[in-house]
Amino acid sequence: DAGVIQSPRHEVTEMGQEVTLRCKPISGHDYLFWYRQTMMRGLELLIYFNNNVPIDDSGMPEDRFSAKMPNASFSTLKIQPSEPRDSAVYFCASRMDTRNNSPLHFGNGTRLTVT
Amino acid sequence: GDSVTQMEGPVTLSEEAFLTINCTYTATGYPSLFWYVQYPGEGLQLLLKATKADDKGSNKGFEATYRKETTSFHLEKGSVQVSDSAVYFCALSGNTGGFKTIFGAGTRLFVKA
Repeated sequence: DAGVIQSPRHEVTEMGQEVTLRCKPISGHDYLFWYRQTMMRGLELLIYFNNNVPIDDSGMPEDRFSAKMPNASFSTLKIQPSEPRDSAVYFCASRMDTRNNSPLHFGNGTRLTVT
Repeated sequence: GDSVTQMEGPVTLSEEAFLTINCTYTATGYPSLFWYVQYPGEGLQLLLKATKADDKGSNKGFEATYRKETTSFHLEKGSVQVSDSAVYFCALSGNTGGFKTIFGAGTRLFVKA
């Protein structure tokens, strides 16, 4: 089992540019989550999907952020245009099912720096 | 809504010292409780879990007991090692909120040789 795979590991971009972060969940997991981690706010849930359908995007900070899951093995988080305050580590996580004892499996994250 | 509160860090200990990281929660119903650990440059990984009152989760020498009467899930280890240096997150997953996992703010642990 390769685990949750995220790419790229690091992204440095200039303010105003479009950024796309990618995630491949664990095969067979029905749920996919995008989190953002910063020193100031800790771990924030941005959006999550169930069977490729967005269920709750209330954590997405602004319209500049969008997420898609075109199939069960791939998801993207896009920021357009990016701003320096978007600098953070973005994590993707997947989960097998709805039982509340089913843990999250995290990728190693993408460290985004917007200058 | 559901919430998790854990002790602020950083916590600095010498090798072989006893570790306690406090965690309390607020939730409706009967959530499952988790401890996750994050090593530098990595994502969070499950350390242990407990799914009902009085359950004890354990892994790698770490333990935590689900105490419904005090709404707590404190993490303990009898003898820490330098390799335990990491950030520890307490979390819950309940039947409300769409089965989202709620995380505490994290507690950074430094273990000195």
